[in-house]
Amino acid sequence: EPEVTQTPSHQVTQMGQEVILRCVPISNHLYFYWYRQILGQKVEFLVSFYNNEISEKSEIFDDQFSVERPDGSNFTLKIRSTKLEDSAMYFCASSEALWNTEAFFGQGTRLTVV
Amino acid sequence: DAKTTQPNSMESNEEEPVHLPCNHSTISGTDYIHWYRQLPSQGPEYVIHGLTSNVNNRMASLAIAEDRKSSTLILHRATLRDAAVYYCILRQGAQKLVFGQGTRLTINP
Repeated sequence: EPEVTQTPSHQVTQMGQEVILRCVPISNHLYFYWYRQILGQKVEFLVSFYNNEISEKSEIFDDQFSVERPDGSNFTLKIRSTKLEDSAMYFCASSEALWNTEAFFGQGTRLTVV
Repeated sequence: DAKTTQPNSMESNEEEPVHLPCNHSTISGTDYIHWYRQLPSQGPEYVIHGLTSNVNNRMASLAIAEDRKSSTLILHRATLRDAAVYYCILRQGAQKLVFGQGTRLTINP
C-alpha cells in the first residue's frame, strides 16, 4: 500500500538553527499539507500546497516557515530560526484529488528544540 | 470552519461493537463527513468518509442521519488495536482538516 514517508523520524536542534523536514508524498497525489502537534495538544494545520504554490496557510505559518517541492517528489518544510515553542511532531499529508478524497499522513518527525 | 462535537472519551470491550457519535448541526451541503484516528505515537489515519448515504469499508461503517446533523462511526468488532483518538471532521474538497479534541477510545481486554 502506498504511503507518505517522512525523514528524519526525530530531529534535535539548537534554538536559532535552521531545520528542514522532509516528506515524500504518495506519487500520484497533487495536494500536500503540513500539520503539527505539540505534545498533549490537538493536531494543527500549518499549510497546504498545490500546483507549486501555497494554497492556504494558518496563523502559525509565519515568515519563519517555508515549504518547497524541489524535485517533483520531495516536499519540505523549513523553519529558518527555530524557537523552543517549535518543538512538536510535524506531520506531512497528501491527497490525490480535489473532491471526495482522503488525506494520507506520514508517521511524523519529532522536532526537539533545545 | 464547520464545527463538530464529540464525547471526550468512550470505553468498550474487545470483540464488541463500538458506536462513536458526532454532532455537526451546522454542516453545509458540500461538507463531507470524515473520520480519522490517531493511534498512540502515530500520525492520523484515515478511517472513512461520506456525504449523505451510509458507507462501509474494511475498517468501519459510517451511519449518517437523514438531516446530516449527526453521524456515527461504527467499529463492528473492536480489537485492542482500535484504541485511539477518533476525530470527526467536516471537510470540503481537498481543504485542510481541522482537528478537534476527538474521542479517546479505550478498549478493555
